[in-house]
Amino acid sequence: QSVLTQPPSVSASPGQRVTISCSGSSSNIGSIYVSWYQQFPGTAPKLLIYDNSKRYSGIPDRFSGSKSGTSATLDITGLQTGDEADYYCGSWDTSLSAAVFGGGTKLTVL
Amino acid sequence: EVQLEESGGGLVQPGGSLRLSCAASGFTFSSHWMYWVRQAPGKGLVWVSRISSDGSNTNYADSVKGRFTISRDNAKNTLFLQMNGLRAEDTAVYYCARGCVAAACVSLLWGQGTLVTVSS
Repeated sequence: QSVLTQPPSVSASPGQRVTISCSGSSSNIGSIYVSWYQQFPGTAPKLLIYDNSKRYSGIPDRFSGSKSGTSATLDITGLQTGDEADYYCGSWDTSLSAAVFGGGTKLTVL
Repeated sequence: EVQLEESGGGLVQPGGSLRLSCAASGFTFSSHWMYWVRQAPGKGLVWVSRISSDGSNTNYADSVKGRFTISRDNAKNTLFLQMNGLRAEDTAVYYCARGCVAAACVSLLWGQGTLVTVSS
């Protein structure tokens, strides 16, 4: 059971927009920055978004992040088949004194 | 460019030990918190441990506390994870990751990972 809650899967068609949610609590997302990661099968995760909404170097502006209260969202617009991957949110939990991740969301581009 | 290269993984029997290393380059290693995160086959990301930039502060997941020890050598730009009392449930790819300069910040840049298999 992950501390941060993500939907197990989302799907959309090429060119469309998809939103991946990440729900936490006051001790993590509610008070600490959120980051987002993309992971293709058999490869290491890659940083997409840090500090809630800042794109890491080289990440296209089709990817955007936001935070409101104890939830965060990753938006991907203009979906491409190459975006099919697992996406994870992450934060620090001040009560647990632990880094916490969501369980991951598998994005399928139909 | 940030580069992190893990080594030291392999097959070990239950109860055995392994020492993972992570060679860092492309950034000021001594300024950043460093992390170990693992991923069991077909599962999600799970944080294992982290260490402050000067090595004076460490945190561990409850599942590894008392068995794993994180350390670093800033002179050699290298991060370590000493793993003792290994269990089957420790089987995973272990990733070394660069954290932030600030403590309460999880924005990680990842190495390619090293596989640890605990089995008899």
